[in-house]
Amino acid sequence: RKEVEQDPGPFNVPEGATVAFNCTYSNSASQSFFWYRQDCRKEPKLLMSVYSSGNEDGRFTAQLNRASQYISLLIRDSKLSDSATYLCVVNLANAGGTSYGKLTFGQGTILTVHP
Amino acid sequence: NAGVMQNPRHLVRRRGQEARLRCSPMKGHSHVYWYRQLPEEGLKFMVYLQKENIIDESGMPKERFSAEFPKEGPSILRIQQVVRGDSAAYFCASSPSPYYGYTFGSGTRLTVV
Repeated sequence: RKEVEQDPGPFNVPEGATVAFNCTYSNSASQSFFWYRQDCRKEPKLLMSVYSSGNEDGRFTAQLNRASQYISLLIRDSKLSDSATYLCVVNLANAGGTSYGKLTFGQGTILTVHP
Repeated sequence: NAGVMQNPRHLVRRRGQEARLRCSPMKGHSHVYWYRQLPEEGLKFMVYLQKENIIDESGMPKERFSAEFPKEGPSILRIQQVVRGDSAAYFCASSPSPYYGYTFGSGTRLTVV
């Protein structure tokens, strides 16, 4: 089983649509979770951190379910500029909760928003 | 704050040559990470360094690859005797703590001909 697993897509949605991405992670002791965005041939950029209580930033909502080891990202009212690869990222930890000190990236989910 | 600076942006090497990739972390960030991204693939962890120390090199190939982060100056990823399969984008990232998200540099695209 991969440490961080995402549906690679691609997701093709019209402008204005709502789209959701899911991600599962293997290590139940993991402490930190993030969503990154990567545009073609560019560096990944932090989109948002994911907190246990769930968090929202404008059109973007992130949720964490520790019991199911599951993270989600919801994008409402999609824009053309949202087209990118979305990376689920986990700071894996050992059984004692100590971070391994590195972020593990999922394979990414490709989103294309069309007019 | 200039962000994470990587150079060169593009590097072309012939098979058998050496490639040196440089990374200057953001000011105040003491944790540096190198990742490799092959065409059409995800980011793969290579090495995690703090000043003068390699913390985790579990993702680094055992031969030809080395990394350092000296007390003064940028972090260097060195690839000796490059082969075609080393062609990839190499991203450096830095953070103030291993629990925080990273800030990435714009990457070095290595092409081996």
